Amino acid sequence: GAGVSQSPSNKVTEKGKDVELRCDPISGHTALYWYRQSLGQGLEFLIYFQGNSAPDKSGLPSDRFSAERTGGSVSTLTIQRTQQEDSAVYLCASSLDQIQPQHFGDGTRLSIL
Amino acid sequence: QQQVKQSPQSLIVQKGGISIINCAYENTAFDYFPWYQQFPGKGPALLIAIRPDVSEKKEGRFTISFNKSAKQFSLHIMDSQPGDSATYFCAASMNRGAQKLVFGQGTRLTINP
Repeated sequence: GAGVSQSPSNKVTEKGKDVELRCDPISGHTALYWYRQSLGQGLEFLIYFQGNSAPDKSGLPSDRFSAERTGGSVSTLTIQRTQQEDSAVYLCASSLDQIQPQHFGDGTRLSIL
Repeated sequence: QQQVKQSPQSLIVQKGGISIINCAYENTAFDYFPWYQQFPGKGPALLIAIRPDVSEKKEGRFTISFNKSAKQFSLHIMDSQPGDSATYFCAASMNRGAQKLVFGQGTRLTINP
């Protein structure tokens, strides 16, 4: 497809379970970002990958959150031992390079019961 | 110092009117200021962006006005249409956009027919 693709679109899980969220960036885009959108906190940056450089993890809220990007393309955001406060929409964005506009996917809506 | 403050939280405008949303920032290192439009269930979509070397940028019915000395920028939507009803986010970043976006809290715009 032409846009950023995220899966699943919705995820419901029990507190304490681990979840994996997937992002397929636009083909050829070297930069990839994860953000979280929640009612109380708005849109928050989580992590940023650019090419082969070390990722900027400065926005990850706790060590339960991690992300990887394999082969410079697909990225997975993992949340371990989920808590109710992790409920949010997790958005992925990509850009052609580090100074081009970021294009967002439609997100994964995560609900923790 | 990383915050971007956006107002109003919600706005109702009559069809054909001008919608104005304002943002203010503190960090003078910000040098890229995009506006995003978000419809329910969708990811944010880039509308228009400006860099601080210009005071105004216009694309169709959308205009960004930028006041560097006041550290403020605003979005004007001319001839507002019901299809413009959405949530609008201002954002800012450093290094010409090469880093995380810091978002305002969003404005829910409703255009009455």
